[in-house]
Amino acid sequence: DTGVSQDPRHKITKRGQNVTFRCDPISEHNRLYWYRQTLGQGPEFLTYFQNEAQLEKSRLLSDRFSAERPKGSFSTLEIQRTEQGDSAMYLCASSLGTSGGGDTQYFGPGTRLTVL
Amino acid sequence: AQKVTQAQTEISVVEKEDVTLDCVYETRDTTYYLFWYKQPPSGELVFLIRRNSFDEQNEISGRYSWNFQKSTSSFNFTITASQVVDSAVYFCALSEAFEAAGNKLTFGGGTRVLVKP
Repeated sequence: DTGVSQDPRHKITKRGQNVTFRCDPISEHNRLYWYRQTLGQGPEFLTYFQNEAQLEKSRLLSDRFSAERPKGSFSTLEIQRTEQGDSAMYLCASSLGTSGGGDTQYFGPGTRLTVL
Repeated sequence: AQKVTQAQTEISVVEKEDVTLDCVYETRDTTYYLFWYKQPPSGELVFLIRRNSFDEQNEISGRYSWNFQKSTSSFNFTITASQVVDSAVYFCALSEAFEAAGNKLTFGGGTRVLVKP
């Protein structure tokens, strides 16, 4: 049973560069989530997909952030023109949802982004 | 808006002591779900328990137990006879029940537990 995987695990970039992260959910899970966690804080919700549809985006997700989930499988999160404030751990989670909310979300190991 | 508060930022205990982590939540919904996750030093969030707002029965799983009290909006977590491997950051989280809400988790700030040998 393969869990949620994320790639890369670590990314160091210079301010102003673009970065892209990938998340592969648990295979039968139809829902996928992105969260951001800064040091010493709890994760904060960024966005949510049900299959290929992006159903909710947080106000934290500025115009420089874009997420996709083509064909309802893996997802990518791109940050354009990175800023030092983007330095954080980016967590992906997936769940199997039928209707309503409250699914148990299973998390990947995260991608730690450092913007110099 | 949803809010989860974990007032204890860090707890240090000696092995075999019991430790209780507090979680207080706020929501306007009558149907909601509460979760606890563990984040060990490796960084990956590990799911521990899910409880819906209609089920106020306490639960025990091995050395872990949970006390859900709707009257005080609390969902506390106790580790009995702590072990060094329990050292981690523990997060309490809340999710609304309705799909329109996006099914997002709102996390507390976490409680770091340090178990000394």
